Amino acid sequence: GDSVTQMEGPVTLSEEAFLTINCTYTATGYPSLFWYVQYPGEGLQLLLKATKADDKGSNKGFEATYRKETTSFHLEKGSVQVSDSAVYFCALSGSQGNLIFGKGTKLSVKP
Amino acid sequence: DAGVTQSPTHLIKTRGQHVTLRCSPISGHKSVSWYQQVLGQGPQFIFQYYEKEERGRGNFPDRFSARQFPNYSSELNVNALLLGDSALYLCASSLGGSSYNSPLHFGNGTRLTVT
Repeated sequence: GDSVTQMEGPVTLSEEAFLTINCTYTATGYPSLFWYVQYPGEGLQLLLKATKADDKGSNKGFEATYRKETTSFHLEKGSVQVSDSAVYFCALSGSQGNLIFGKGTKLSVKP
Repeated sequence: DAGVTQSPTHLIKTRGQHVTLRCSPISGHKSVSWYQQVLGQGPQFIFQYYEKEERGRGNFPDRFSARQFPNYSSELNVNALLLGDSALYLCASSLGGSSYNSPLHFGNGTRLTVT
């Protein structure tokens, strides 16, 4: 079945460092791809999305490009801030109208 | 506008008991979905309802059931609770019935602890 694999954390970075969180997927069709973020004690918030191959989603300095040839949707940010500390989830749209999530990657940014 | 609201925020139950969790979607949203998030894992799909009909069901036992009301709010019911049901239960709403083109908006969840 469809699935998402993302790099294991935790990831610890210094402020202003470059961030990459890897995400690859397995899907039989052509899903939409998403990154969600979960801050401590809160629900999930949609960070960005892409609906077709070569689309680039972007928001708040984060970017991810839908790569069909490598079945990837890696999350990047050029300069992280302490406020970016959270758990990041990669997800794809499932056949039941649902989302299929990866296990999440915890990011800690130190000042 | 208010976001997705869930109640209660925290709940402690004993094995074998029954629990009901509630969710109010964003105004105008017609779809509600339920997810279970065990500590350290990604959310797992339980149910989706669209226009008061069940549109999808994840790989959960029959102890889990849900419904959507005419005002589009929803309840998730879990019978005969097990220790393994301890988790954060997330509700999400969306305009349409497909996550492909209708982004999900999540509530802050209900933290269920089964002792």
